[in-house]
Amino acid sequence: QKEVEQDPGPLSVPEGAIVSLNCTYSNSAFQYFMWYRQYSRKGPELLMYTYSSGNKEDGRFTAQVDKSSKYISLFIRDSQPSDSATYLCAMSIYNFNKFYFGSGTKLNVKP
Amino acid sequence: ETGVTQSPTHLIKTRGQQVTLRCSSQSGHNTVSWYQQALGQGPQFIFQYYREEENGRGNFPPRFSGLQFPNYSSELNVNALELDDSALYLCASSFTSGGVGNIQYFGAGTRLSVL
Repeated sequence: QKEVEQDPGPLSVPEGAIVSLNCTYSNSAFQYFMWYRQYSRKGPELLMYTYSSGNKEDGRFTAQVDKSSKYISLFIRDSQPSDSATYLCAMSIYNFNKFYFGSGTKLNVKP
Repeated sequence: ETGVTQSPTHLIKTRGQQVTLRCSSQSGHNTVSWYQQALGQGPQFIFQYYREEENGRGNFPPRFSGLQFPNYSSELNVNALELDDSALYLCASSFTSGGVGNIQYFGAGTRLSVL
């Protein structure tokens, strides 16, 4: 069993839709939860990170962490064609010396 | 842009050869981590360097080795290349203090093809 599971998609939505991206994990020691966006042939770009459980909002993006269910989500409101990319969840224990990534969900936002 | 630079951008090697990839960390960062990303997969942790020493390693064989220099830049060396080593190699830099790290920022990667 992988430590981080993520639905690979692809996920195709019309412009303006609300997008929900999710990951589950098995290691209860994870404390930091990150979302990265990766465009084709580019390196991952940090979108958001949260510590422990709760919600965090940044513009059109909202990250949620439910440690009791070992489940994290990223919501994108008013999705744009420029949001089309692969979204990677990543997790770390307290010392950040190793990030565990999901396999990525490919998102396509159609104009 | 993160300020993490990797070279070269692309590389083609043949099976059995050796390769060296390079990374310059972001200004103010003292830690470099290396990841391998196969096509359609998430990045897999290879190892991390802090204070010029290996500070954690993933499930990669010893033919994957690294170095960190006093200016915090780093090299990833892979010996006896295999076809399965074909992947995007990502370098990430971060700041570690008191043994505790922080968020990692990635470079654009080096795409290695092994023929």
